[in-house]
Amino acid sequence: NAGVTQTPKFQVLKTGQSMTLQCAQDMNHNSMYWYRQDPGMGLRLIYYSASEGTTDKGEVPNGYNVSRLNKREFSLRLESAAPSQTSVYFCASSEKLAGSEQFFGPGTRLTVL
Amino acid sequence: EDQVTQSPEALRLQEGESSSLNCSYTVSGLRGLFWYRQDPGKGPEFLFTLYSAGEEKEKERLKATLTKKESFLHITAPKPEDSATYLCAVQASGSWGKLQFGAGTQVVVTP
Repeated sequence: NAGVTQTPKFQVLKTGQSMTLQCAQDMNHNSMYWYRQDPGMGLRLIYYSASEGTTDKGEVPNGYNVSRLNKREFSLRLESAAPSQTSVYFCASSEKLAGSEQFFGPGTRLTVL
Repeated sequence: EDQVTQSPEALRLQEGESSSLNCSYTVSGLRGLFWYRQDPGKGPEFLFTLYSAGEEKEKERLKATLTKKESFLHITAPKPEDSATYLCAVQASGSWGKLQFGAGTQVVVTP
């Protein structure tokens, strides 16, 4: 049972480049999430997917898009990266949207030059 | 607006020196309060969920308690392996389930 996996672990982009962060979970969870973590700001929700086939904006969605590919996989895309998107990105999943704990992946450390 | 404040920001303990971390919260109604542990370079690891005032949960040297306005994470006789950042998050009732995280308390336990 791998839990939540993310690829890549590290990435360096130049301003304006695009990339997709991949996330998969093997816990048969319905809900999945993308967060970013910046020093002193805590974890902030970018997008979430309550269940397969649905996605919704979180607290800081600008500059990002997501795809819930199937029940297991939830990807995050940066279409035109900006230095302000330099951060650590975490994917998480939970059994249901409300009332259940979220389990996090190991993170992707992204630097945009 | 839901708010979560953790204190202190950082805590340095000697091995065996017990202490408590505080998580103060403001929500319209609490569905659940969650504690996580995060090691450097890793994702948050789930520790506890508390649902109602008066509830307590324990795991090894950690004990979490909940009142109507705050939660405490007590670390009893800590060991160096307890060094980590501890995160608190709240989920408001009536919301779709969004977690509001605090900024965390960084704990360092020295031998």
